[in-house]
Amino acid sequence: DQQVKQNSPSLSVQEGRISILNCDYTNSMFDYFLWYKKYPAEGPTFLISISSIKDKNEDGRFTVFLNKSAKHLSLHIVPSQPGDSAVYFCAARTRGNAGNMLTFGGGTRLMVKP
Amino acid sequence: DAGVTQSPTHLIKTRGQQVTLRCSPISGHKSVSWYQQVLGQGPQFIFQYYEKEERGRGNFPDRFSARQFPNYSSELNVNALLLGDSALYLCASSLGQDRNYGYTFGSGTRLTVV
Repeated sequence: DQQVKQNSPSLSVQEGRISILNCDYTNSMFDYFLWYKKYPAEGPTFLISISSIKDKNEDGRFTVFLNKSAKHLSLHIVPSQPGDSAVYFCAARTRGNAGNMLTFGGGTRLMVKP
Repeated sequence: DAGVTQSPTHLIKTRGQQVTLRCSPISGHKSVSWYQQVLGQGPQFIFQYYEKEERGRGNFPDRFSARQFPNYSSELNVNALLLGDSALYLCASSLGQDRNYGYTFGSGTRLTVV
């Protein structure tokens, strides 16, 4: 039972264009969503997050949008750069969870071509 | 300032053996979580420890156990290894167990079971 899904295993984008990575979830108890970037041989690196009470959060070239009614979030990267090439994971935290358990999607490999 | 440190970086074990993985959190961080990432999938939550107590446990068999020491470092133990335990094991540390604290991941231990 995958509670967080990233349906696109890979995405290829030209440098300077917009990259849009998508994530769907099923659990209404999730109250916080995060995006992580992962390079080979490294651990995931935090990118940006959004609370379930917001619909948009922006940080430089990165913007995350949350559509609670559709249980969908997306990460926009504008403009895309070759250094953005990595695997991107969306993750969600559960409301009321005393700990900090994250549920991750399967990841999307982004390739930004020069 | 050192990040999350995991050792060893790579490990090869035989089926049926036991393994211990180690994690040192960022200085001042009191919470450590363990995740398993199988190739091609997102990380999956195993354990969370805070102040030396288990605060959360994922859907893993009892062959998996962990502990946290007074200096907040942690060990993950896996007994009776199976081929399916081959994965990247990630440790994440955070200041506390509250869900609003950010998590920093280490680079992981790559375990191969043959």
